[in-house]
Amino acid sequence: GQNIDQPTEMTATEGAIVQINCTYQTSGFNGLFWYQQHAGEAPTFLSYNVLDGLEEKGRFSSFLSRSKGYSYLLLKELQMKDSASYLCAVRGLSGGYQKVTFGTGTKLQVIP
Amino acid sequence: GAGVSQSPRYKVAKRGQDVALRCDPISGHVSLFWYQQALGQGPEFLTYFQNEAQLDKSGLPSDRFFAERPEGSVSTLKIQRTQQEDSAVYLCASSPSSNRFPNTEAFFGQGTRLTVV
Repeated sequence: GQNIDQPTEMTATEGAIVQINCTYQTSGFNGLFWYQQHAGEAPTFLSYNVLDGLEEKGRFSSFLSRSKGYSYLLLKELQMKDSASYLCAVRGLSGGYQKVTFGTGTKLQVIP
Repeated sequence: GAGVSQSPRYKVAKRGQDVALRCDPISGHVSLFWYQQALGQGPEFLTYFQNEAQLDKSGLPSDRFFAERPEGSVSTLKIQRTQQEDSAVYLCASSPSSNRFPNTEAFFGQGTRLTVV
C-alpha cells in the first residue's frame, strides 16, 4: 500500500517563506504531486516531481528525494490568499493497480 | 464546458435513501476519476474510467456504490441505501490523457457535499 505523512497544520506570516514537508512510502513510485485546496473548493494542481531535485514555478517550488521518500513544497513571499490546505499525492502501486494516493493535507494559515 | 461541473453541489439524504451524483467532465477528456473526501482528510480514490470503460473500481467502499459513464462523457456515482458514514464530499476529476493519472494536472470539480441524516 501507500503511506503519506504531512503536518496537519502550519502558521506563517505574510511575506515570509514556509516549507511544507511530505514523507511517503510506496511501491513502484512514479511521481509526486502537490495540490492546493481552499475550503469548500476543488483541489488545484501546483506541481509534479518524478526526478530528484527542485522544480520552481514562480513563488512555489517543490523538491523531491526519491531515496529518502521525501518532498517539500516551498512557498515564498506568502500572501493572505495562500491560506489553504496543501495536499501531497503520490503515484505508485497499490493493490496491483497504479494509482494516486493523497495525504490528509496541511492546513496553512497565513497571518498578517 | 470551461471546467468540470458536478451536481448537485449539496445533497442531504435520509439514511437508507438512494442518491445519484453527476459529473460533467471537460469536453474531450478521456480519463475520469471519482474521489471521496471526508472532513479534514485528503481525497480517497474510488474509481477510474477511461472513456466508457471502468478500469478500476477498487476504491469503492461497498457494493452500495456504483459508478457509470455509458457514453464516455458524463458520469454518475450512485449510492444505494445511504449510511451516515457515506457523508463526505465526492470529487470528480478529469484528464485529457489516457494514462491512469497524467504527469500533469487532473482537473477537479468542486464536488458534491453529501450529508446523510
